[in-house]
Amino acid sequence: DIQMTQSPSTLSASVGDRVTITCRASQSISTWLAWYQQKPGKAPKLLIYKASTLEIGVSSRFSGSGSGTEFTLTISSLQPDDFATYYCQQYNSYSGYTFGQGTKLEIK
Amino acid sequence: QVQLQESGPGLVKPSQTLSLTCTVSGGSISGSTYYWSWLRQPAGKGLEWIGRVFTSGSTVYNPSLKSRAAISIDTSNNQFSLNLSSVTAADTATYFCARGWAVAGCFDHWGQGALVIVSS
Repeated sequence: DIQMTQSPSTLSASVGDRVTITCRASQSISTWLAWYQQKPGKAPKLLIYKASTLEIGVSSRFSGSGSGTEFTLTISSLQPDDFATYYCQQYNSYSGYTFGQGTKLEIK
Repeated sequence: QVQLQESGPGLVKPSQTLSLTCTVSGGSISGSTYYWSWLRQPAGKGLEWIGRVFTSGSTVYNPSLKSRAAISIDTSNNQFSLNLSSVTAADTATYFCARGWAVAGCFDHWGQGALVIVSS
């Protein structure tokens, strides 16, 4: 199985800050990497797919990069609505889909 | 706009079978562009993919579930279903149905989630 490791697990930041979340895969996944935002009691929301493609309707303050085993999600100029938990997710045709453990973005 | 809605019992006894149905509206469940998945999330924990079904009926499952999961599709009613057998307390979770986008390897539409508690 491909394991996904996110860091940090918790991130404290202020409105207006620029933040970066990292996701590492236990083996190369090319660019089969997606990022989701989840708020309490809600379903995850797709933000980015294929490592760097912004889902339609998602703010351009979100951006993704990386390939192989290391990926990042960057949020520029944090807004109050951005405080949530973020998950990365990989896809592999042999092992299916696995998610990172999540990064909780908190207000400082 | 595609919408997904989970339905089924919220309480299941240990050793019994958990059964959930996902009804898709605003779009057809047929076609090769998308596949239809079940995922789950225990309270306060991360997301786990359970399995997926294509319009053809072919399925792929997470090996960690040790063949307990079965997903089926009913194109005439625009629904797909999950059966999870021999449940234990460890299967207590919020279960989500989701539409998977085949060319991108991700889930672009999700149901709101259904909490299922396994308890006697």
